[in-house]
Amino acid sequence: GESVGLHLPTLSVQEGDNSIINCAYSNSASDYFIWYKQESGKGPQFIIDIRSNMDKRQGQRVTVLLNKTVKHLSLQIAATQPGDSAVYFCAESHRTGGSYIPTFGRGTSLIVHP
Amino acid sequence: DVKVTQSSRYLVKRTGEKVFLECVQDMDHENMFWYRQDPGLGLRLIYFSYDVKMKEKGDIPEGYSVSREKKERFSLILESASTNQTSMYLCASKDSAMPQYFGPGTRLLVL
Repeated sequence: GESVGLHLPTLSVQEGDNSIINCAYSNSASDYFIWYKQESGKGPQFIIDIRSNMDKRQGQRVTVLLNKTVKHLSLQIAATQPGDSAVYFCAESHRTGGSYIPTFGRGTSLIVHP
Repeated sequence: DVKVTQSSRYLVKRTGEKVFLECVQDMDHENMFWYRQDPGLGLRLIYFSYDVKMKEKGDIPEGYSVSREKKERFSLILESASTNQTSMYLCASKDSAMPQYFGPGTRLLVL
């Protein structure tokens, strides 16, 4: 069956360093991928997405890389700040019937040390 | 900005009670979702709806039902709450191949 997984449950970095959070997926039919950030006590917030016809997409301080050959997704955060401390989820989706239903990974906790 | 609101941030209920969790979105989204989130298990889909009065079971529908009478509102119902339904409940909405927008969550404690 399909699965979305994360290589590391916890990532600790120093303020100012770059962070890389990884995600593996197994469904080759997946064509839309999303990263979410969830701060303590809040719902997940959309960060960035990428479609399968791209291999890289950049936002403000964040970059998502997609490697369809090995079914791997990563989120890079440049110059990590204490406010980036949160749990990060990847999600993959593909069209099922009339809609795209996401499947979420279990999350990586990012801890930023000042 | 998309806004998804949930009726309560915290709820305490007793075993056997009927529990209603309400979710409202203001962006005319077709699709709405209910998840529960437990430590170590991530987000698990309970039910979703792709249109008014339409619903589909997710991965863990047992013990839950839903109602979508209006496009903007999606309700989750626990017919007879049990202690293993103590959890964080998250509502989300979206359109087609677009990201979901989540509400702030309802933390439910069943005693």
